[in-house]
Amino acid sequence: EIVMTQSPATLSVSPGERATLSCRASQSVSSDLAWYRQKPGQAPRLLIYGASTRATGIPARFNGSGSGTEFTLTISSLQSEDSALYFCHQYIYWPLCTFGQGTKLEIK
Amino acid sequence: QVQLQESGPGLVKPSETLSLTCTVSGGSINNYYWTWIRQPAGKELEWIGRIYSSGSTNYNPSLKSRVTVSVDTSKKQVSLKLNSVTAADTAMYYCARADSTIYAFDIWGRGTMVTVSS
Repeated sequence: EIVMTQSPATLSVSPGERATLSCRASQSVSSDLAWYRQKPGQAPRLLIYGASTRATGIPARFNGSGSGTEFTLTISSLQSEDSALYFCHQYIYWPLCTFGQGTKLEIK
Repeated sequence: QVQLQESGPGLVKPSETLSLTCTVSGGSINNYYWTWIRQPAGKELEWIGRIYSSGSTNYNPSLKSRVTVSVDTSKKQVSLKLNSVTAADTAMYYCARADSTIYAFDIWGRGTMVTVSS
């Protein structure tokens, strides 16, 4: 099983600044990686797939990068609405897949 | 827009069968993969299994012996049955949609909490 490790567990950033979230795979997943955002009581929302392609309706301030085992989600011009749990998802052996444990982003 | 709504009993007794339904609204159920995912408290999400609208299924090997996913396209519903449940099956259960172009889950339900307890 491919283990996905996200860091940091919690990140506190000021409005208007940039947040950088990391996701590491225990073995190469090529570019078969997605990022999601989940707010309490809401359904998760797809942000990025294919490591760097924004999903429909996702603004350009969300950027995904990386390949192989190291991936980054960068969120610029942070807004209060960006406070949420962000998690990564690898699907190189689709449909088998695994998820990271998430990074909680707080906008202070 | 497409919405998914999970439903089912919130409490199941040990050794019994967990049964959940995912209802699709606002869009077609055809030509997509419908997936069940769960998350025990404090743990990562776990992929349970999926079904294509035609009825073909795939399951997580760790759960395969206990899981059945089915689809009723006329009702636009996807069902999950997990038998012989234990406390380890206590989790938030999500329904999600995927297609064969992006592979990721582009639509999710809000999830439903299931507790296994006597």
